[in-house]
Amino acid sequence: AQTVTQSQPEMSVQEAETVTLSCTYDTSESDYYLFWYKQPPSRQMILVIRQEAYKQQNATENRFSVNFQKAAKSFSLKISDSQLGDAAMYFCAWETTDSWGKLQFGAGTQVVVTP
Amino acid sequence: GAVVSQHPSWVICKSGTSVKIECRSLDFQATTMFWYRQFPKQSLMLMATSNEGSKATYEQGVEKDKFLINHASLTLSTLTVTSAHPEDSSFYICSASQGQGWGQPQHFGDGTRLSIL
Repeated sequence: AQTVTQSQPEMSVQEAETVTLSCTYDTSESDYYLFWYKQPPSRQMILVIRQEAYKQQNATENRFSVNFQKAAKSFSLKISDSQLGDAAMYFCAWETTDSWGKLQFGAGTQVVVTP
Repeated sequence: GAVVSQHPSWVICKSGTSVKIECRSLDFQATTMFWYRQFPKQSLMLMATSNEGSKATYEQGVEKDKFLINHASLTLSTLTVTSAHPEDSSFYICSASQGQGWGQPQHFGDGTRLSIL
């Protein structure tokens, strides 16, 4: 079975510091998309960043960047200069070519930002 | 930006009643929408794919007679929980993508909290 694993239930970070969330996945597919979504207390799912598997360059969106290691099947998210508004549940997800639009999510990591 | 609206945001009803949840794409057309279910402090689990003008496809283990999906237009999908029971209480979220093809970012509704008494 294809799976997405987030091994950190919760991560705490101080304001202005950096935190890295881990995500690993297991697949035999060669091409797919990977995503990080954020779910704040409002429970609205918000796209943070996405990465296509065949692109070697790591995606970056402002303070958010990923470390994509395809051979290791790892897709970690780095949040730099953490802000109070970054506090949320973060989900790693992926979509394969034969499951268009269907996202498989990891269990999530709760990010706590302390002043 | 693309907006997906979900209604109602919270519903409480008695066991045995049916509840309809609407998912609308407000500023784009969506031939396909997705319905997810989320239990407290858990991840989102895909329930079904809603296809405009055709039958929905359900994930393994999801009762199609319990969770009726209708996608009658390019901007509206509905999920009806029939004869709801307390175990159906959950957070239901829909999503749709603005673009065609895979890898497009999904836009999510705000979710519906369903509580069955």
